[in-house]
This record gives sequence, structure tokens and C-alpha cells, in this order.
Amino acid sequence: RKEVEQDPGPFNVPEGATVAFNCTYSNSASQSFFWYRQDCRKEPKLLMSVYSSGNEDGRFTAQLNRASQYISLLIRDSKLSDSATYLCVVNIPEVRWKTSYDKVIFGPGTSLSVIP
Amino acid sequence: IAGITQAPTSQILAAGRRMTLRCTQDMRHNAMYWYRQDLGLGLRLIHYSNTAGTTGKGEVPDGYSVSRANTDDFPLTLASAVPSQTSVYFCASSAGILNEQFFGPGTRLTVL
Repeated sequence: RKEVEQDPGPFNVPEGATVAFNCTYSNSASQSFFWYRQDCRKEPKLLMSVYSSGNEDGRFTAQLNRASQYISLLIRDSKLSDSATYLCVVNIPEVRWKTSYDKVIFGPGTSLSVIP
Repeated sequence: IAGITQAPTSQILAAGRRMTLRCTQDMRHNAMYWYRQDLGLGLRLIHYSNTAGTTGKGEVPDGYSVSRANTDDFPLTLASAVPSQTSVYFCASSAGILNEQFFGPGTRLTVL
């Protein structure tokens, strides 16, 4: 099983629709979670962090389900400008030579196209 | 400089040549990263550095080397480029390993 998995899509939705993406992770010890947005041929940029209690930023809501080891991103009232690839990011704790490290893994991304 | 910059923007390179991709940040971030992004494979970590003077291997380090002589710069070197290293390369930095990563605009590298 890959460390971080996402449905690649593409998700094609009409303007105004609500769309949700899920991202699953394999390491139950993971503590930090993020959603990034990447526009075509551009660099990824942070969309929002994901907190244990869930968090909202305008039309965007992020949720964390530790029991099932997934995070979700909900976009309400989709805009044309929301068309992009959405990457989930998870930290993976590692232990090497009895020392704890964290590595950050990007999921493969989910492509969203909002259609007029 | 504002943020994180990369050079060159794009490059076409003959196989077997040596190439260094440059990355500079002015945010005094401790951690820096190099990723490659290929269609269908997402972002894959090549090398990282948690702080100046230290580096570590990521998911796909073979054929690449890095150095971190100071806080601001994190060059990536391809000692002898091969066509499979054709990709878009992104450099990123963050205050700490679990903090938001800020990405440079990327370098599009083609190895023929």
C-alpha cells in the first residue's frame, strides 16, 4: 500500500456544485496534514492545514478521520477558478538509528475541472 | 529576492553532461527540499536538508547530489544526466519539517 493515496480523478463538476476529495494514509502515527493546490504548470501552494477537530476557510472545509486514516477536502459553491490539482500532504514518522525523524509525503493529486 | 527562486527556468541537456540546478530562499527557513514531478507520479522527494550542513535522501535520490553549505542555498547536481531525469524540478523550503512548504517556480529539464 502506498503511504499516501488519492483518487486521481478527474472530477468534472458544474459551477456551484459541491465536491469532496479523500486522501488515505498508511501510517497511523502521522500527525501533520495539509492540502495544497497546484495550477497547471505552476508550483504547489498551501491551501489549508488540516486540524484534528476539522477546520473551515470560506468555501473550503478540511476534515481528519484518524480511525479510518483519511483526510478530506470539501469545496462548496465551486468556482471556475477552483479548477486545479489538489494534493494532500502527510507527515510520516520514521525511526533511524533510534532517532525519530519526520518525512513529508505528497499524494499524487486529484484533478478538478469546474465547468461553466 | 522575495521567497524562493530557482534557476534556470528551463534547460535542454545532452545525456552524460553535468548540470546543477540552483535554489535560493531568503526566508531564513531551516528546511529545504528538492522534488521532481512527472505526469501520473506526482511530486517525489529527491533530497532534503533539515538545516544548514545536513542533507538526507528522499524517495528517488539516485543520480542526484545536494549540498547545504549555508541556510539560503540548496543546489541539486546531476553528475551525468540521463533521459529518465527529464522532469520538472521543484525546490521548496519550510521553517521546520512539519511546517508549510513554499515552492519555487520550478525548472523544466529535458535530457536528450
